Amino acid sequence: DTAVSQTPKYLVTQMGNDKSIKCEQNLGHDTMYWYKQDSKKFLKIMFSYNNKELIINETVPNRFSPKSPDKAHLNLHINSLELGDSAVYFCASSQVKDTAYQETQYFGPGTRLLVL
Amino acid sequence: AQSVTQLDSQVPVFEEAPVELRCNYSSSVSVYLFWYVQYPNQGLQLLLKYLSGSTLVKGINGFEAEFNKSQTSFHLRKPSVHISDTAEYFCAVSGGTDKLIFGTGTRLQVFP
Repeated sequence: DTAVSQTPKYLVTQMGNDKSIKCEQNLGHDTMYWYKQDSKKFLKIMFSYNNKELIINETVPNRFSPKSPDKAHLNLHINSLELGDSAVYFCASSQVKDTAYQETQYFGPGTRLLVL
Repeated sequence: AQSVTQLDSQVPVFEEAPVELRCNYSSSVSVYLFWYVQYPNQGLQLLLKYLSGSTLVKGINGFEAEFNKSQTSFHLRKPSVHISDTAEYFCAVSGGTDKLIFGTGTRLQVFP
């Protein structure tokens, strides 16, 4: 069974379009994350949610809007896509027992976004 | 604030040879250290982590890492690598905040 799943796996779109990436975890975790991995493999956190509440909101353009309908889902909507948004986007989740920063994060397979 | 430096962007090695992937960190608070592996076209997977206690941490697939506070290092080692270990390896640090800070990654390429 897939622990953290993302759809779609690949996304090719034109500049200016709006797109969404979905993420679901079946691990019963409380916390979910979105990361962006650029072409040089550099991985940076964008957002995190704990029980549907926004916890971390890094310096990300407000064209990016996360939405958590329930604690098992964290979707990422991107408005007015730009060339520089091309990257691999990873969703992750973790179980927060004491502190989030001690916990193992479980990653999805990634969504490869190409903006033309 | 925390930061992580992975000194080697690529490490080529022959199969069955030992390997060390270097990681140095900086932090003004207590740290928790992680190594994640990313196989081609996949997400990241935890290899091992150091939270406290013994400074030698053993992980999956025969990997281990040693936390050295005086040298602010957390190098990853494996005594004998296999072709299937070819992947990107990321060192990460957390502490004081809820987020993981990743290094820039080291590409381990194992040759037959």
